[in-house]
Amino acid sequence: EDKVVQSPLSLVVHEGDTVTLNCSYEVTNFRSLLWYKQEKKAPTFLFMLTSSGIEKKSGRLSSILDKKELFSILNITATQTGDSAIYLCAVNYGGSQGNLIFGKGTKLSVKP
Amino acid sequence: DTEVTQTPKHLVMGMTNKKSLKCEQHMGHRAMYWYKQKAKKPPELMFVYSYEKLSINESVPSRFSPECPNSSLLNLHLHALQPEDSALYLCASSQVGVGEQFFGPGTRLTVL
Repeated sequence: EDKVVQSPLSLVVHEGDTVTLNCSYEVTNFRSLLWYKQEKKAPTFLFMLTSSGIEKKSGRLSSILDKKELFSILNITATQTGDSAIYLCAVNYGGSQGNLIFGKGTKLSVKP
Repeated sequence: DTEVTQTPKHLVMGMTNKKSLKCEQHMGHRAMYWYKQKAKKPPELMFVYSYEKLSINESVPSRFSPECPNSSLLNLHLHALQPEDSALYLCASSQVGVGEQFFGPGTRLTVL
């Protein structure tokens, strides 16, 4: 059965801390792995990873994929209260339609 | 235009009502998706349209009826819903075969 597992499910940190969110997957015909940030409404796209070992970076956020060990991490440095959100990992797999299977998400709370 | 729009933002309906959710994008994407998201859960795929044809129906009850009148529009027709259908309904679009899906803000549906 195809699955995406995220850990931890929730995390509470203080501003300025660095956090690492984990995502492991087991899917047939892997195509890409995506990270989304969801606050109150729709998920907003952060990164799409297709190749192992190549870090994607955007400001204080970065992510990397390991296709051999079937996992990805999302790092956030110098966290701010505005980083508080649910971070969703999704894997695109299978046929040509771009099917996504989502993990349950990691709820990050950043305290002042 | 890099936005997916959804209307209405909120919808309250009775179990005998018929209503429709609408989604629109002008990014030239030929794949469009409906997801259902319950509180504290990840989005669950309902339907996928590829080149305006229904390509995936994830065993969704017939009280949900999707329609893709053209490459920019996606509708979800609702009839005889149950209270457990109350959820956030998200629309997304992407290029066919590419995992990066752009999500709309969602419609918060409450069935009384």
